Amino acid sequence: SQQGEEDPQALSIQEGENATMNCSYKTSINNLQWYRQNSGRGLVHLILIRSNEREKHSGRLRVTLDTSKKSSSLLITASRAADTASYFCATSPAGKLIFGQGTELSVKP
Amino acid sequence: DTEVTQTPKHLVMGMTNKKSLKCEQHMGHRAMYWYKQKAKKPPELMFVYSYEKLSINESVPSRFSPECPNSSLLNLHLHALQPEDSALYLCASSQGVQGSGANVLTFGAGSRLTVL
Repeated sequence: SQQGEEDPQALSIQEGENATMNCSYKTSINNLQWYRQNSGRGLVHLILIRSNEREKHSGRLRVTLDTSKKSSSLLITASRAADTASYFCATSPAGKLIFGQGTELSVKP
Repeated sequence: DTEVTQTPKHLVMGMTNKKSLKCEQHMGHRAMYWYKQKAKKPPELMFVYSYEKLSINESVPSRFSPECPNSSLLNLHLHALQPEDSALYLCASSQGVQGSGANVLTFGAGSRLTVL
């Protein structure tokens, strides 16, 4: 079953601009994670935010969590061409890591 | 070693063939996972092993048969597959097991399977 919905499905920006991706989920969570996937490759864990946290930073990444709205956002600042990838949020209902539909980000040099 | 290694990277098989996908990790992780991913879609969970025992099977058809010979290895045996089974198969591992809290997964690069 699908736990997370993400929008936009695709996002195209210029290098140096910021990229914002949103994720909504259905059930209550203990934490939410974000992963990146370069084309046809494995996923790489980016950041985990716990349900009692509202915001978390890691380098150029900023993640927010609003449990009242069951939503999270991932902001990538000062984007680079190397940030081109698909980004997935993931939650753990019943201990299984389930991924949202993903946002395909394209950063043009 | 902080990697999950999957072999082969690419596999082409006929519907009557028997083949296996292999996955290895040496991080001491106690849980290992198989995911299936179709193009432009998110990974879908297939199986979870915790402490070398199958703990989750997401109603996967029996033509997919997982095996965990030891804590470092995970196999996926394939038999009588259908063309719609063509996909990227991803192996992952985590330090924690199901229900133990925040499980951050380390993924392999995947095995791209084509069924003719």
